[in-house]
Order: sequence, then structure tokens, then C-alpha cells
Amino acid sequence: GAVVSQHPSWVICKSGTSVKIECRSLDFQATTMFWYRQFPKQSLMLMATSNEGSKATYEQGVEKDKFLINHASLTLSTLTVTSAHPEDSSFYICSAPGPPSYEQYFGPGTRLTVT
Amino acid sequence: SQQGEEDPQALSIQEGENATMNCSYKTSINNLQWYRQNSGRGLVHLILIRSNEREKHSGRLRVTLDTSKKSSSLLITASRAADTASYFCAPGRGVDMRFGAGTRLTVKP
Repeated sequence: GAVVSQHPSWVICKSGTSVKIECRSLDFQATTMFWYRQFPKQSLMLMATSNEGSKATYEQGVEKDKFLINHASLTLSTLTVTSAHPEDSSFYICSAPGPPSYEQYFGPGTRLTVT
Repeated sequence: SQQGEEDPQALSIQEGENATMNCSYKTSINNLQWYRQNSGRGLVHLILIRSNEREKHSGRLRVTLDTSKKSSSLLITASRAADTASYFCAPGRGVDMRFGAGTRLTVKP
């Protein structure tokens, strides 16, 4: 099946700094990608829809100025957590619809720890 | 948006036994997907079943869909310890997909 990668797989940063997470579709193009957040032992919560060449669409309650999304190409979307705080510590996962039937393929996730 | 609700929340079985997980949803869908998530990892796509399909197989996996009852089931036959994971159903696609809490399956060797 189609492959989605994320980088880094884990990151530790200090409170107040910004962290960028990359999501790439390796063998297909994705005009749309999705970003999720998952807290321990909980389900995935959709944060935003990343649209290539246009602004991202954020879910209710997600601060767009804190979680900056850039979908600069058909294979890359980035999520930047700005001025990170310990409560932003979570597992961030991206996904993209891919071939053959536009089912959703997920990246391996990025574990963010803010100290 | 469309959220799936998995049942049971947790399931513990012995290796070799079958595991059945259920999913319910509220509104009409065109398709439904099942995913597996190993601890600390991303989701692995297992099966997509369309609304005009009643049953679909993939290896040891069997998925059924009953659109009249708005429910789906995932059967894993002859389970293995490596099947230990959380399983999620996702009605719909893309931005319309919402995930429930999942079923945590533990297969004891």
C-alpha cells in the first residue's frame, strides 16, 4: 500500500520553543493531508486538514496560530507547534488519502515531549 | 463528521482463538475502514469496505457491514500474539472520519 512518513519520530523540546513536524507521502501525491493528536490511551483527534496551495482548515477548539500548518507541495505537509508548553506533549499523527481507493494512510507518528 | 464506536473496549484471548470486534455509527456512509494501532505507533490500514458490500476478507481478517443496523464487525481468526494492538473503525473518509476509543485486543501466548 501507499506509504506516509513522518519526521522526526520523537522530539524533546523546552517550553517556549517551536517544533516542526514533517509529513510526507512517499509514493503518491496528496493534495490533502490530515493532522491528528493522540493523548495516552485515548483516541485520535482530528486537528486540521492540510490543503496543498491553500490555507489549512482547523477543527473547532484548535488554535491555528499555535499549530501552524504548511502544505507547500503535493508530497509534504508540515505542522509547527509554536511556543510549545508541556500540555502540548502528545503523539502527533498525519494521514493522507492514497491509492488505490483513497483510503487513509497514516504516518508512524511523532512523539512530542515538552519539558 | 462521522464517528465509529468500538465494542468491547478491551478483549483478552488466548493465541489461536478468534477475536470479534464491533463498530457502530450513526449516519449513512459510503464506506468504512478498519485500522490497527500498535502501542506508540501510527495506524495501519487493514480493510476498506464499501456500503454495497456485506462482507470482505483479507487473510485472517473478515469484515462485515450491515448498513441497515449501521454496524460493522471485524473478525480475526486464529489470533497470534502479534495481533495484540488497538483496533479502530472509521466510517466515512477524509475529513469526515472520526475515531472512537477503539478496542484494545490482547492475545496471550
